[in-house]
Formats: sequence, structure tokens, C-alpha cells
Amino acid sequence: KNQVEQSPQSLIILEGKNCTLQCNYTVSPFSNLRWYKQDTGRGPVSLTIMTFSENTKSNGRYTATLDADTKQSSLHITASQLSDSASYICVVSPNTGNQFYFGTGTSLTVIP
Amino acid sequence: GAGVSQTPSNKVTEKGKYVELRCDPISGHTALYWYRQSLGQGPEFLIYFQGTGAADDSGLPNDRFFAVRPEGSVSTLKIQRTERGDSAVYLCASSFWGSRDTGELFFGEGSRLTVL
Repeated sequence: KNQVEQSPQSLIILEGKNCTLQCNYTVSPFSNLRWYKQDTGRGPVSLTIMTFSENTKSNGRYTATLDADTKQSSLHITASQLSDSASYICVVSPNTGNQFYFGTGTSLTVIP
Repeated sequence: GAGVSQTPSNKVTEKGKYVELRCDPISGHTALYWYRQSLGQGPEFLIYFQGTGAADDSGLPNDRFFAVRPEGSVSTLKIQRTERGDSAVYLCASSFWGSRDTGELFFGEGSRLTVL
């Protein structure tokens, strides 16, 4: 069964600190994995995409990693800001069909 | 338009009523998706359009839910005989390629449905 699991479910950190969010998936055959950021009351916005051959990709203070062998991805946020408070959703796409498989998200709260 | 537009942004209705939610995708995007999101959960797939046709409607929970995209652009999600359990945020997303390996989903702001 194609599933995407994220941890932790929620996280509270101090402004300026780093954090890492995890995504494990069983989607197969794998095509790509995206991390989306969803601010409260808004639609999700793509942060980064990881394909099978990519191990690490950075987008500003966000760095995503992918281990296709263990089917794990992480999103590392450096020097967190208050505006990073949001839900971060991992989305995995298989090579077949037209489905996108969504994780339940990690709710991040950055406090001053 | 510049982004995916959804209307209404908020809808409060009574149990048993009929509701229509509209999605105007990014111009030129051939693929359109409807998702439902409950509080604290990730988006749940409802239906996918490629052009005018529903390529995959396996996520529609029951026959009270129906969606159309008659001209391959704007889509309407229709919910008949609404129930309290239908309360959620309904997200629409569009994509240019509609394929998993290249298609980024661009989401609208969502329509928050509350059934009293």
C-alpha cells in the first residue's frame, strides 16, 4: 500500500534554532518527492522537489535530503524565523497513474 | 489568472443543502485536482481532471459528490444533501503537465465549508 508518513506530528522551536522534519514513504515505483509549506488558512506551496538521483537540494534556509534506498526524506530548516511557522507536507509521486500521495504534515511553530 | 482561484472562500450551510464550490485554475494548466483537508490532516484526494474529462474520480467519498470541468478550465465541485461530516477545506490544484515527474501542483487558497 502506498503511504507517506511524517514525523514529528508537531514541533515547537525557538527562533533562530534549526530543526529537521522527517518523511518516510512506501510509494513505489518512485518518481519524485516534494516538500510543501502550508501557512494557516492558505494552500500548500512547493518548496523543493527531489528525484530519484538526487540526494540533497537546498532552497535558501531549507535543505531537503533523499535516501531512495531506505525511502526516507528529511527537510532541514536552518536559523528558523517566525514566518517558518506552518505545516510542512511531504508529497510523493509514483511513476505510474496520476496520484500524488500526501503525508499528514508536520506542524511547526517558531516562537520568539 | 496569476494563480488558482477558488470561490467562495468560506461557505456555511445547513445539513441537507446543496453546495457548489468553484475552481479557476492557472491559465493553460491541463490537469486539475480537488482535495479535501480536515483540520490537522494532509489533503485527501477527491478527483483529477485531464482536460474536460475526469481521469480519476476514485477519491469521491460517495455519490453525493460530483465535479465537472465542461470546457477544460473552470471546475465546479458539487455536494448534494450536505452532511456535517462534509465540513472541511476543499482545495483545488492545477498542474501544467498533469504528470508525476514534472508536474508541480499549484494550489488555491481553498474553500472552507461548514455544515451546521
